[in-house]
Amino acid sequence: GENVEQHPSTLSVQEGDSAVIKCTYSDSASNYFPWYKQELGKRPQLIIDIRSNVGEKKDQRIAVTLNKTAKHFSLHITETQPEDSAVYFCAASISGSNNNDMRFGAGTRLTVKP
Amino acid sequence: DTEVTQTPKHLVMGMTNKKSLKCEQHMGHRAMYWYKQKAKKPPELMFVYSYEKLSINESVPSRFSPECPNSSLLNLHLHALQPEDSALYLCASSRGGLAGTDTQYFGPGTRLTVL
Repeated sequence: GENVEQHPSTLSVQEGDSAVIKCTYSDSASNYFPWYKQELGKRPQLIIDIRSNVGEKKDQRIAVTLNKTAKHFSLHITETQPEDSAVYFCAASISGSNNNDMRFGAGTRLTVKP
Repeated sequence: DTEVTQTPKHLVMGMTNKKSLKCEQHMGHRAMYWYKQKAKKPPELMFVYSYEKLSINESVPSRFSPECPNSSLLNLHLHALQPEDSALYLCASSRGGLAGTDTQYFGPGTRLTVL
């Protein structure tokens, strides 16, 4: 099955700096890569996703890049704000099939210091 | 309606109790999921229902029994649980099938404590 590794496990940045979180996956058939933000005591919320036919996607301060050859994808947050502090999970799955099996990375605890 | 709802929010049960967790969505999604999340860990997939049929069962102990009465509802029946089963149980749904775009949307979870 799919195995997703995520680094770093914790990340502390100053407000206004950028944050980068990296993930690798093992199954070359995976074609859908979402990123979830989970605040303490709350549900995981989708913040951005990318499919394997795209190399990069951006939504305001958040961007995701995908390197299919190397089987890794990254989350970039620019101009970080204290409200960006949360745990971020990457995930990988095979979209467009009846196998709806999504695997998560271990998570990155991001702290943005004011 | 873009929400997945779960009840109850909190549940405390003894090891001999029988209880059920409920999940509901009205987005027309045809895939529904149960995840277990321990503190400081990622969600772990337990079960996947696709078009009301169980399609993935991740070797979960039989004390957890899923049920999908219809495409909008998903239950998780609990019986004879152990203290190590205490966790946040998350339900999710997605469009499912061959249509692609299988973004999963999570409910708020049920925090379960087994005494």
